[in-house]
Amino acid sequence: DAKTTQPNSMESNEEEPVHLPCNHSTISGTDYIHWYRQLPSQGPEYVIHGLTSNVNNRMASLAIAEDRKSSTLILHRATLRDAAVYYCILNSQGAQKLVFGQGTRLTINP
Amino acid sequence: GAVVSQHPSRVICKSGTSVKIECRSLDFQATTMFWYRQFPKQSLMLMATSNEGSKATYEQGVEKDKFLINHASLTLSTLTVTSAHPEDSSFYICSAKRQGARETQYFGPGTRLLVL
Repeated sequence: DAKTTQPNSMESNEEEPVHLPCNHSTISGTDYIHWYRQLPSQGPEYVIHGLTSNVNNRMASLAIAEDRKSSTLILHRATLRDAAVYYCILNSQGAQKLVFGQGTRLTINP
Repeated sequence: GAVVSQHPSRVICKSGTSVKIECRSLDFQATTMFWYRQFPKQSLMLMATSNEGSKATYEQGVEKDKFLINHASLTLSTLTVTSAHPEDSSFYICSAKRQGARETQYFGPGTRLLVL
């Protein structure tokens, strides 16, 4: 499985935008970029995924670099409930499993 | 949205006993379910992939005779930790993929196991 690199931790303030980076320089053409997050003592939660184009949903936006070697998850207006570990995962089309890295622990300050 | 439940949410057992954890997809059919284990301050580690009606595929290093997985229906998979020991204490999480869907997995809330 292609590997991703994320900062161990990030900190932001409530009601401000948050940009969570992910590097995936060995991404292949069939790899989708997935983001999940895990709140304390809970199972992970799907956030967003994309292949080449930027994606938006009610939770976040995903900005994918033109060469696809990096991507950024954008939380437009962070709340305290967004404090979680955010995982960036590559998943080949049709592949069964997700392989989790260490993720980025996001702290939101009130 | 797709909902996955787990039961029990937490369990404490004595060393040497077996513990069964259930994972259910409540509002969709899941041809594939996954079992993960997560130790404190660590990431999720995939233990096995479970396909309905067939034997589970275990990841390297996971003992299939110790962690028995049964996926008897499109909405239920069970993980049985046999002869549990304190080192098996962990947070066990299942996930499920919708029938026909190729990407998104839906995760359960997790089961915290403590073996005394």
